Amino acid sequence: DSGVTQTPKHLITATGQRVTLRCSPRSGDLSVYWYQQSLDQGLQFLIQYYNGEERAKGNILERFSAQQFPDLHSELNLSSLELGDSALYFCASSEDPPSDGGELFFGEGSRLTVL
Amino acid sequence: GENVGLHLPTLSVQEGDNSIINCAYSNSASDYFIWYKQESGKGPQFIIDIRSNMDKRQGQRVTVLLNKTVKHLSLQIAATQPGDSAVYFCAENIRRGRMDSSYKLIFGSGTRLLVRP
Repeated sequence: DSGVTQTPKHLITATGQRVTLRCSPRSGDLSVYWYQQSLDQGLQFLIQYYNGEERAKGNILERFSAQQFPDLHSELNLSSLELGDSALYFCASSEDPPSDGGELFFGEGSRLTVL
Repeated sequence: GENVGLHLPTLSVQEGDNSIINCAYSNSASDYFIWYKQESGKGPQFIIDIRSNMDKRQGQRVTVLLNKTVKHLSLQIAATQPGDSAVYFCAENIRRGRMDSSYKLIFGSGTRLLVRP
C-alpha cells in the first residue's frame, strides 16, 4: 500500500459527459501528480500540483483540469469526454521537495471507460 | 489486469536466470532516472534510481546501469523469480535544483517481463 488513495476505482460513462477523479496523497506529501495510462501511450504526465499551486504541466488537454485543495487532496476533472479518454488515471505524491530519491508514490488508479 | 492490453515489447526468461531490461531515454539534459515496476491491476512501484553523476547503482537483486554517451539505461535483475513478472518502466527527469518543486517525471513505453517456471 503506497498510502495514496484514489476514487473511484472504476467509472463508466458516456461521450460528452463530465467526471471527477479524486486523490488523497500520502500523509505529509505536498506534491500531487496526475498521469494517464492508455493502451498505446504508456504513462503520460498530465500535471503536478504543489501545496495548492500548479507546478508543472504535461500533455494535458484543455478539456481536462485539476486542482489541489487546502487539505492537499486533488481532483482531476475530465469534461466533454471522448472515446479516446478511456484510460487508467493515476495519481502520485511525493515528499516536498522531492527527496534525493525523487520517488513518486502511486495510487492504484481510476479506470475510466467512455462508451 | 490493466496491463494486459498494452502493446509492449516482451522479455521472457527462465526462473533463476538473470534479466536485463533496456531503455533509451530522450533528453541529454536529464539528470535523474528511475525504474518502476507495475504489476497487473496496480500502480507503478519504485525499484531503483540513479543520478547522472553515476554509471552504476546496486540494490537488492537489482542493478541499474547508465550510459550517458548513448543515452541508455538498463535494469538487471538477478535470479529472476515469478514475482518479478510485471511491466517495467524507466523514467527520466530534468531537475533545476533540489529546492525546485517542479518535477516532471517522464516515463518510457515499458517492457513486459515474463518469468517461465
